[in-house]
Amino acid sequence: SQTIHQWPATLVQPVGSPLSLECTVEGTSNPNLYWYRQAAGRGLQLLFYSVGIGQISSEVPQNLSASRPQDRQFILSSKKLLLSDSGFYLCAWSVQGGGTGNTIYFGEGSWLTVV
Amino acid sequence: RKEVEQDPGPFNVPEGATVAFNCTYSNSASQSFFWYRQDCRKEPKLLMSVYSSGNEDGRFTAQLNRASQYISLLIRDSKLSDSATYLCVVKVYGQNFVFGPGTRLSVLP
Repeated sequence: SQTIHQWPATLVQPVGSPLSLECTVEGTSNPNLYWYRQAAGRGLQLLFYSVGIGQISSEVPQNLSASRPQDRQFILSSKKLLLSDSGFYLCAWSVQGGGTGNTIYFGEGSWLTVV
Repeated sequence: RKEVEQDPGPFNVPEGATVAFNCTYSNSASQSFFWYRQDCRKEPKLLMSVYSSGNEDGRFTAQLNRASQYISLLIRDSKLSDSATYLCVVKVYGQNFVFGPGTRLSVLP
């Protein structure tokens, strides 16, 4: 069966520090991969998605970046964090080219607090 | 107009009550529809897909009205464990999933 893991689960970072969140998917090949952010009490905001190695699409301009160095690995980074980057970050995957039954599955999430 | 809209909530209901959530979507080309559940400080998890003919899973019933671009979720005999935020999700083939803002449900003893 397919599984998705992301880490770290929780982190507290000072303003201006770098960020690296990692996500891996097991049990599937060539998945679509996504990074979402959810601010406190808010809905899900799509940050990045990827349909293949090295292929990244950004939905929202910001000081974050994403990379997909391997088929089932997705990384979210920042060189300098802002207070507004605080939130709940979720990695997700879906089957590429799936039909109407295609669903999206989330990792456990990473809580980021920028202080 | 937002792509997916839901009842603003929160809904506070007693145990055993029946509660209905509504969702509307703006893109008539939408093909896939889902309800997700998100517990506090956790990731969203698939509750059920929504099919054109409507579908039921235990105490949960989902309905789709394509003409009105409307989706509903009915929960019968509410349990304390049903307390969560319910997210309506819509997808057009070849495009990304679109999430509604969610409706929070609190089932009270």
